[in-house]
Amino acid sequence: QVQLVQSGAELRKPGASVKVSCKASGYSFIGYYMHWVRQVPGQGLEWMGWMNPDSGGTNYAQKFQGRVTMTRDTSIRTAYMELSRLRYDDTAVYYCAKDLPWGHWGQGTLVTVSS
Amino acid sequence: EILMTQSPATLSVSPGERATLSCRASQIISTDLAWYQQKPGQAPRLLIYGASTRATGIPARFSGSGSGTEFILTISSLQSEDFAVYYCLQYDNEPWTFGQGTKVEIK
Repeated sequence: QVQLVQSGAELRKPGASVKVSCKASGYSFIGYYMHWVRQVPGQGLEWMGWMNPDSGGTNYAQKFQGRVTMTRDTSIRTAYMELSRLRYDDTAVYYCAKDLPWGHWGQGTLVTVSS
Repeated sequence: EILMTQSPATLSVSPGERATLSCRASQIISTDLAWYQQKPGQAPRLLIYGASTRATGIPARFSGSGSGTEFILTISSLQSEDFAVYYCLQYDNEPWTFGQGTKVEIK
């Protein structure tokens, strides 16, 4: 069965970077785009962008352009999302989700930005 | 960017009753709309895509309708496990955008 397993919670200071991983199993990793979505605690959902695991191509939401980088390592079927120049309002749960319409999600990774 | 507006923000319903949730898009999105259910501490769960197609394993009491700018999610007879927050998502135009959510709570 399809599984997306994300890395554990992270604590970072403002201005730092964080890299979250998402390990895929149960399907052809390079056959489906990987998306990243975040959720500020107690608030709604926000799409950050997608990555094509086959080509490495990406498309980021304008809000995150210049700060987010989505990459992959096909040898270990893992996608990554790195967010730089972290701010307090980047504190959120970050999810990976397999291709539209996002029938499969990772369990989420809480990133806390605090001094 | 397409704005998605859900109503109501909170819906109080008794178990066994029908729940009707609305989602409006700021421009036409055809049927490129999905509905998700989210419970505390969990990832969203896909219920409906293509405005009206139930995802695998989703009970028949969940149904979706609409096209263009107006969409409805209906839960025909609420079960205890259905009390949660529901989000709509448009995937017609990037950036994909969510509604702000409707919380379905026990009356």
